[in-house]
Formats: sequence, structure tokens, C-alpha cells
Amino acid sequence: GAGVSQSPSNKVTEKGKDVELRCDPISGHTALYWYRQSLGQGLEFLIYFQGNSAPDKSGLPSDRFSAERTGGSVSTLTIQRTQQEDSAVYLCASSLGNSPPTEAFFGQGTRLTVV
Amino acid sequence: GENVEQHPSTLSVQEGDSAVIKCTYSDSASNYFPWYKQELGKGPQLIIDIRSNVGEKKDQRIAVTLNKTAKHFSLHITETQPEDSAVYFCAASSTGTASKLTFGTGTRLQVTL
Repeated sequence: GAGVSQSPSNKVTEKGKDVELRCDPISGHTALYWYRQSLGQGLEFLIYFQGNSAPDKSGLPSDRFSAERTGGSVSTLTIQRTQQEDSAVYLCASSLGNSPPTEAFFGQGTRLTVV
Repeated sequence: GENVEQHPSTLSVQEGDSAVIKCTYSDSASNYFPWYKQELGKGPQLIIDIRSNVGEKKDQRIAVTLNKTAKHFSLHITETQPEDSAVYFCAASSTGTASKLTFGTGTRLQVTL
């Protein structure tokens, strides 16, 4: 079946522009995560959505970053006024939730380059 | 919140040797410990997971052990092959809607011929 889908796969943007990254989770998955991965680095947690609960935004690095999850399905990560340090791969993952905890499935990521 | 530490950050082994990656966690409520493998240019993929009601789990050349008392868990890969070369991440999570999956910092494994 279909996995987690992210679009675009690559995005090049000019410094100062806004970008939107999209994540289509696996159907029926109530939990959705966004992570950022800089070249050769680990997974930096950004934000976590679980069902109808308030999202855990504790990983967002600045107020230029925001995310929405509409209808409990598709999620959009928005970065305003992009900076060169925002260049990274942005990964989305979804799972059936945490009662009990279950496997998270990752998308292929969006590679963002800010020039 | 949960904190997961992972060691070593890089590991080089000869083909056929074993590789061991270790993680520690801080939250005693954590009860789910997955391991992910990330190949170049791809998203991480689950290779094995263990829950707190067991101490060890095996799947062919891969095994995971869990010591809840010490809050340690480890990944063991035996008879390593070049295709095992990748970055490996451990993670921990507990039950509950507020609990999220927390990852370690990753181990880059290189299997040399």
C-alpha cells in the first residue's frame, strides 16, 4: 500500500522567501511527526501531532516555523523568511499512535536548499 | 521529557564481524524501543523493535537486548555485510497521547571488505 508521501522532493528557494512542505501520512495514522536532518547529522524533532490533541511544538526552532494538520490527515510545514541555516532534509513520519506505541513510517523527505 | 543517548557515533567493522550499538534512556515510563536504519538519500526504516515486557528479540542476524533496570538497550548485528553500512538510530517511547518517539543521535556503521 501507499507509504508516507512528501512533496516536493527537492526545493530550492531564495533567502527571505516562504516555503511550504507537504506530508501525506498513511491513511488511518493518527500520529504525525516532522523532523529536520542537516547533512550528516541526526534527527532533530520539530513538531508532533496526535489525533485531536494540541500539537507538541517544543522542537520548532523559531517563530518562523509553523505546521498544520488539516482534518487529521495531510500536514504542511511552513518556513517563513527562510535563512541559509534552514537548508536541510525535512522528514515526516506517521504512526498508528502511542496507545500502545507503534512503528513510525518515514517519508523520503524534502531536501530544502536556501540560496 | 525523554532523553536518549547513543554510542558510538561511528563504527567501522570488517565484513563478517559483529557490530554493537548502545543506547540509554532517561524516562522509566518508556516501554517501546525501535531501531531504524537509514540508507543514503532515504528516510529511516524500522529494522527491529522491542517492548518492555521482553529482554531480547532476534530477527536473523539482528538482535536487540533491553535492560530496564539500567535503562540500556543495544542493537547487535552479527556476520556483518557491506549492505549493513548505513546510519542506525535508536528511539524510545511510552504509552499515551502525549508521548512522542525520541531518537538517539545516530551511529554511522561502515562495513569494510
